[in-house]
Amino acid sequence: GQQLNQSPQSMFIQEGEDVSMNCTSSSIFNTWLWYKQEPGEGPVLLIALYKAGELTSNGRLTAQFGITRKDSFLNISASIPSDVGIYFCAGQPLPRDAGNMLTFGGGTRLMVKP
Amino acid sequence: EPEVTQTPSHQVTQMGQEVILRCVPISNHLYFYWYRQILGQKVEFLVSFYNNEISEKSEIFDDQFSVERPDGSNFTLKIRSTKLEDSAMYFCASSEEWGSPLHFGNGTRLTVT
Repeated sequence: GQQLNQSPQSMFIQEGEDVSMNCTSSSIFNTWLWYKQEPGEGPVLLIALYKAGELTSNGRLTAQFGITRKDSFLNISASIPSDVGIYFCAGQPLPRDAGNMLTFGGGTRLMVKP
Repeated sequence: EPEVTQTPSHQVTQMGQEVILRCVPISNHLYFYWYRQILGQKVEFLVSFYNNEISEKSEIFDDQFSVERPDGSNFTLKIRSTKLEDSAMYFCASSEEWGSPLHFGNGTRLTVT
C-alpha cells in the first residue's frame, strides 16, 4: 500500500519560533491534507491542498503541495503554547487508483516551551 | 460549526464480546468512514460507506467487522467477537462529497480485556 514518511517525528521548540514539518511519498496523491490531533480528540483539519504547487495559508499556518504531487510541507510561524499537539499529513489517492481513503503519515509531535 | 459526534467516548469490553460503536456524521455529508489508531501508531483506514453500501475496505476490516446506517443519521461499526488487538481509538469521519476533506469525530477508545 501507499506509505507516507513524515518528519520530524517530534520537535521541542521555544515559544515564538517557527516550525517546519514535511511528508514525502513514493506515490502520487490527488489531495494533501494536514490535521492536528490533541490528546483525547480526533484529528482536526487544518489545511487542504488540491493542486500541485499550491501554497495555502490558514492564519500562522502555511502548507504547500509539492510540484511532483509526492510531498508536502507545513510551516507554523511564531509558535505559541496552544500549538502543542500531533500534526498529521494525509494523502487522498488519484481517482484511478482508489476511492476516497486517506493514507496518514506517522505524525509530528510538537512541544512548545513557553 | 457542524461536527461528527461519536458515542461512547470509552468502551471497555471482554475478549469475545460484541461491541457497537456509534457515530452521527455531519448532516449534509454523503460519505462516511471508520478509521482506527492503535496507541502510539498512525491512523489507519478501515472502511468507507456511500449510498448505503461499503465502497472500500482495508485488509484490517475482516469478517468480524460490519458497518450499518440503520437510520438517516447514525452510522455504526460493529465488531462481532472482539480480540485484544482490537484495542484502539476508533474514529468516525464524514465528507461532503468524493474528494472533499474528511472531518473526524473525537473517537471512541475501545479497550478489550
